[in-house]
Amino acid sequence: GAVVSQHPSWVICKSGTSVKIECRSLDFQATTMFWYRQFPKQSLMLMATSNEGSKATYEQGVEKDKFLINHASLTLSTLTVTSAHPEDSSFYICSARGGGASTGSYNEQFFGPGTRLTVL
Amino acid sequence: DAKTTQPPSMDCAEGRAANLPCNHSTISGNEYVYWYRQIHSQGPQYIIHGLKNNETNEMASLIITEDRKSSTLILPHATLRDTAVYYCIVRVGGTSYDKVIFGPGTSLSVIP
Repeated sequence: GAVVSQHPSWVICKSGTSVKIECRSLDFQATTMFWYRQFPKQSLMLMATSNEGSKATYEQGVEKDKFLINHASLTLSTLTVTSAHPEDSSFYICSARGGGASTGSYNEQFFGPGTRLTVL
Repeated sequence: DAKTTQPPSMDCAEGRAANLPCNHSTISGNEYVYWYRQIHSQGPQYIIHGLKNNETNEMASLIITEDRKSSTLILPHATLRDTAVYYCIVRVGGTSYDKVIFGPGTSLSVIP
């Protein structure tokens, strides 16, 4: 149990376009989802926290109008990178918190496999 | 979350035990020590966590000092697949409000 998936696993887009990344909790309900970004040879940086049905909370320095987060259901959150530029190229990782008896770890965070974004 | 200090990198011979240290001198009484690892180009993977007692699971052992100011993650028989960045994180854990904040971690290289 406690599987988190991301789609796509990698994406290449042209500068100026928007890209949507999906994060799904496959076997549990995620009341909270987190989005991280990781540049090469660096650690993961938390971008934002989203709770189902409410607006996301962004970390300091993260542009909320550029990184749109939607958490419309208990199993799906999306991150849209709007008007992407080459400096947005990064590894984006989501994690989901929730669960219960099925996961054996109520309120723990489970991480997705990541999405590699390359903006040309 | 309390801050942790880890060596930036370590080497370990394949088949030997890998001992990864972590200092967390400002840990609070209700904070757990968590370990995650990230294999290149993958999402982080939970390894183990503990409060004050030593813990063991199928992946690793966690030794926490009596004063809880430091801990050691032990991979008993390291393999090449254990090459990864290992993150030691202290957090309240399992609550509805905490979140995992990553530091730089330790890059472990398992050498044939």
